[in-house]
Amino acid sequence: DSGVTQTPKHLITATGQRVTLRCSPRSGDLSVYWYQQSLDQGLQFLIQYYNGEERAKGNILERFSAQQFPDLHSELNLSSLELGDSALYFCASGSLLGAGNTIYFGEGSWLTVV
Amino acid sequence: AQSVTQLDSQVPVFEEAPVELRCNYSSSVSVYLFWYVQYPNQGLQLLLKYLSGSTLVKGINGFEAEFNKSQTSFHLRKPSVHISDTAEYFCAVSVGGGSNYKLTFGKGTLLTVNP
Repeated sequence: DSGVTQTPKHLITATGQRVTLRCSPRSGDLSVYWYQQSLDQGLQFLIQYYNGEERAKGNILERFSAQQFPDLHSELNLSSLELGDSALYFCASGSLLGAGNTIYFGEGSWLTVV
Repeated sequence: AQSVTQLDSQVPVFEEAPVELRCNYSSSVSVYLFWYVQYPNQGLQLLLKYLSGSTLVKGINGFEAEFNKSQTSFHLRKPSVHISDTAEYFCAVSVGGGSNYKLTFGKGTLLTVNP
């Protein structure tokens, strides 16, 4: 158990809909990262927050947004969903900023868009 | 920008055989290197990481990796694998610091250990 909690574990929704994925980081971790894992793209970095502020952005679509709240949990909002958004979405957390920092992954949220 | 290439998408081996999973990276600056493992239906778990110092890094579950700067490689090895090592293995690189930190992952290598 990494200490990173993600909900829901599985989600099936229709095209055009909007979903919210939730992440609770490990106790004491200020950084939260979101990754998307799909068969064709592999593991893609989406976005990072540190203590409530956006710090780094990766291949995140404009239809997607995220935020980190004062209690440090984070939400990833996916809207106008398309079939190609079906993937495993990981949240990870870390205690520090810095390139050598170990980040700890949750078990992921499986999103299926039908 | 940094990138990671895992040269084998699948590696089948027999139990108790040695294994090497290959990883090459590209970056114009100093890097930090990681290996993560993903067991079926689970999240990623850190196996080991290289930050600086000794180029031979030992990790959990008997795995080790060697950083080779001249060959820009960070291959993962285990002298004798078990059935329970069957999983997907990801090599990752990070550069920079401060607020611009992110891990870039390779496409993964599926290690299948057969009896």
